[in-house]
Amino acid sequence: AQSVAQPEDQVNVAEGNPLTVKCTYSVSGNPYLFWYVQYPNRGLQFLLKYITGDNLVKGSYGFEAEFNKSQTSFHLKKPSALVSDSALYFCAVRALTTSGTYKYIFGTGTRLKVLA
Amino acid sequence: DSGVTQTPKHLITATGQRVTLRCSPRSGDLSVYWYQQSLDQGLQFLIHYYNGEERAKGNILERFSAQQFPDLHSELNLSSLELGDSALYFCASSPWDSANSPLHFGNGTRLTVT
Repeated sequence: AQSVAQPEDQVNVAEGNPLTVKCTYSVSGNPYLFWYVQYPNRGLQFLLKYITGDNLVKGSYGFEAEFNKSQTSFHLKKPSALVSDSALYFCAVRALTTSGTYKYIFGTGTRLKVLA
Repeated sequence: DSGVTQTPKHLITATGQRVTLRCSPRSGDLSVYWYQQSLDQGLQFLIHYYNGEERAKGNILERFSAQQFPDLHSELNLSSLELGDSALYFCASSPWDSANSPLHFGNGTRLTVT
């Protein structure tokens, strides 16, 4: 079955420390992967995507993600966390539907809390 | 600002009632996706339209229906509402239907069923 897993409901990190939010996936074919961030009472905002090319993808607000094909992972990272990074983060993957079209599958989300 | 507009922002209604949620996609985007976000179930895909045609259905109840109009705006109709339908409903748009470009989300409609 095609799926996305975010194994951690919440990640706590001290301000200034590096952060990692984990994501693993299972899809048929080449994976198209995305990260989104959601602030309270707002819609999801696109951070970055991997479709092909370099395994390290750079995105908005200093975030980056590393694609690892052998581990089927796409972890979100940032070298130095800010308090303002505290939000809900979603990993998503493109999946093929039974009717031959495509859809996005979202993970359950990981709440990042950056402590001052 | 994502360019996706959803109305209304908040909706409070009673069980058994029917409501309509509206979405205007980002200019130039042909695909509209509807998602339901509740506290215990994360982001659930409901339905996808591309240029007026239904492209994929997710976990959408039979009491729910949607359509996309010639001007590309979309409406999600929820009927015979139950308490469990209380959630945030998001609309998102993208240029194509191949799911290889990022989605642009509206700020959602918060539905409360009492």
